[in-house]
Amino acid sequence: KAGVTQTPRYLIKTRGQQVTLSCSPISGHRSVSWYQQTPGQGLQFLFEYFSETQRNKGNFPGRFSGRQFSNSRSEMNVSTLELGDSALYLCASSLGGVGEKLFFGSGTQLSVL
Amino acid sequence: KQEVTQIPAALSVPEGENLVLNCSFTDSAIYNLQWFRQDPGKGLTSLLLIQSSQREQTSGRLNASLDKSSGRSTLYIAASQPGDSATYLCAVREWGYGQNFVFGPGTRLSVLP
Repeated sequence: KAGVTQTPRYLIKTRGQQVTLSCSPISGHRSVSWYQQTPGQGLQFLFEYFSETQRNKGNFPGRFSGRQFSNSRSEMNVSTLELGDSALYLCASSLGGVGEKLFFGSGTQLSVL
Repeated sequence: KQEVTQIPAALSVPEGENLVLNCSFTDSAIYNLQWFRQDPGKGLTSLLLIQSSQREQTSGRLNASLDKSSGRSTLYIAASQPGDSATYLCAVREWGYGQNFVFGPGTRLSVLP
């Protein structure tokens, strides 16, 4: 069974640009959640989608948005990039029920110059 | 607000030693607790998941315990190997709808040959 796939693996952008990251969950998983990881703040929850609906949201500005498609694939968009958005963005999938394990992708390393 | 801490922040041990990693959380109202390992620049690999009603889980050389009332979990690694070198993170799933995990900062483990 294929794992969680994130593309692209690396991205370099400049301030003010926007970026879209993609995540394909494990087959059969209906929940996709996104996390931002930085050396200073650690892993922080961005949002979670389940069956195309945002089910939960962390404390990030509105520049961070996402969506989920009918095949459970998810995209995350960051508009008007800031230097502080440089981070490893991780996607995790699960079956979506209470108590389910999270399975992570390898992440997208975003650098904002 | 849930806060998760991990002690120690870094640990260096010779190969073959048994070791214990600690995780503490401030709010005992959790669904479950999950331990992960992360290799540099990579995603997270799930190690063990303990439901709130359980006391411990075992997988191979790994054993994780949970004391919800005191807000603590430990990850015990037996007969450590250089391949165990990685950062170990614990995460608690809070009460509420959706998959919102709160992560600790991690313990960076180095096992010396």
